Amino acid sequence: AQTVTQSQPEMSVQEAETVTLSCTYDTSESDYYLFWYKQPPSRQMILVIRQEAYKQQNATENRFSVNFQKAAKSFSLKISDSQLGDAAMYFCAYRSASGNTPLVFGKGTRLSVIA
Amino acid sequence: SQTIHQWPATLVQPVGSPLSLECTVEGTSNPNLYWYRQAAGRGLQLLFYSIGIGQISSEVPQNLSASRPQDRQFILSSKKLLLSDSGFYLCAWSDRGNLGTEAFFGQGTRLTVV
Repeated sequence: AQTVTQSQPEMSVQEAETVTLSCTYDTSESDYYLFWYKQPPSRQMILVIRQEAYKQQNATENRFSVNFQKAAKSFSLKISDSQLGDAAMYFCAYRSASGNTPLVFGKGTRLSVIA
Repeated sequence: SQTIHQWPATLVQPVGSPLSLECTVEGTSNPNLYWYRQAAGRGLQLLFYSIGIGQISSEVPQNLSASRPQDRQFILSSKKLLLSDSGFYLCAWSDRGNLGTEAFFGQGTRLTVV
């Protein structure tokens, strides 16, 4: 079974600075999808960014970008120019590309943004 | 556009009482449906998922059950709640025809068993 590991329970960053959240996963599959979700204090789950494993190019969405290292099974999230509104729990998730399987989530990283 | 409704938002139930949480999706057909639980300060634990009416997969042996009586309706139940059932429950759906799309989540239900 696939597993997702987020080794940083908590992180903090100064406003306007850059922070990187780590995620590793374990799979024997070659085709899959990876996601980063944000859960603000409202607890609504919001998709931040998506990466397709067959694409070598790292996904970017405005201030959010990923460093996808397929061989190392690593999928880190970089947040540039951090804003107070970025404070939230961040979850990394994996989904197989074969069959209708559910997303598997890591335990999350709580990000604090310091003004 | 697609929407997901989950209710109630908050629930306080005594130990031993039954539970029924409901989730419905609008604007799509044949979705994959999921129930996740988030304990305090922890990640999302998959409880059940369904790829069709009456087709339920259970991920964790526990005091809970799920049913899908209609294509876009997913219900989480318990006959007798335990203190350990307290947590934040999230319903989600994804497009069955496109595995690359994300899961879309409801607003969640905060359950406190007292």
